[in-house]
Amino acid sequence: EDKVVQSPLSLVVHEGDTVTLNCSYEVTNFRSLLWYKQEKKAPTFLFMLTSSGIEKKSGRLSSILDKKELSSILNITATQTGDSAIYLCAARTNNNAGNMLTFGGGTRLMVKP
Amino acid sequence: DAGVIQSPRHEVTEMGQEVTLRCKPISGHNSLFWYRQTMMRGLELLIYFNNNVPIDDSGMPEDRFSAKMPNASFSTLKIQPSEPRDSAVYFCASSWAGGSTDTQYFGPGTRLTVL
Repeated sequence: EDKVVQSPLSLVVHEGDTVTLNCSYEVTNFRSLLWYKQEKKAPTFLFMLTSSGIEKKSGRLSSILDKKELSSILNITATQTGDSAIYLCAARTNNNAGNMLTFGGGTRLMVKP
Repeated sequence: DAGVIQSPRHEVTEMGQEVTLRCKPISGHNSLFWYRQTMMRGLELLIYFNNNVPIDDSGMPEDRFSAKMPNASFSTLKIQPSEPRDSAVYFCASSWAGGSTDTQYFGPGTRLTVL
């Protein structure tokens, strides 16, 4: 059974702190690892990682995939209160008919002023 | 593009009633996904379609749940009869399977409350 595990479950930091969120996966036919941010609404896409060791950046957010360790991290530097959300990672797998995602349980991040 | 459209946004019903949730994927996308999200179980994939064909429905909880995709621009998720434990937010997402990014784009969700 495909499995994705995220840690920590929740995190409370102060503005300006740097945080690292972890995601590990055990899936068959792995294709890529995706990160989403979910506030009060639907998840919004952050990154898709396919190649090991190549960092992707978007402003204060960055992420990298380690296929050897079957894991990924999401870093947020100089955190702001607007970063408070649930961060979800998902492993994308693929068969001949299409793709599907297996989600982790999420990390709830709270950034205090 | 308007993005993925779901209706209704909120649904409150009584146990035993039939509930139908609707989704219109992004035009041009060929994969459609139904998810359920609860505090206890997080985000779960219920079923996904590729080119209107159901590919994997192993996440569908039980026979009370059914999903259809009669054409590329419309899908329904039906619960009959509904039970209080079905209360959750139901998301529909679509993607273009076969592209380099293959990102799933989520609709706003339908918040279902079964009393």
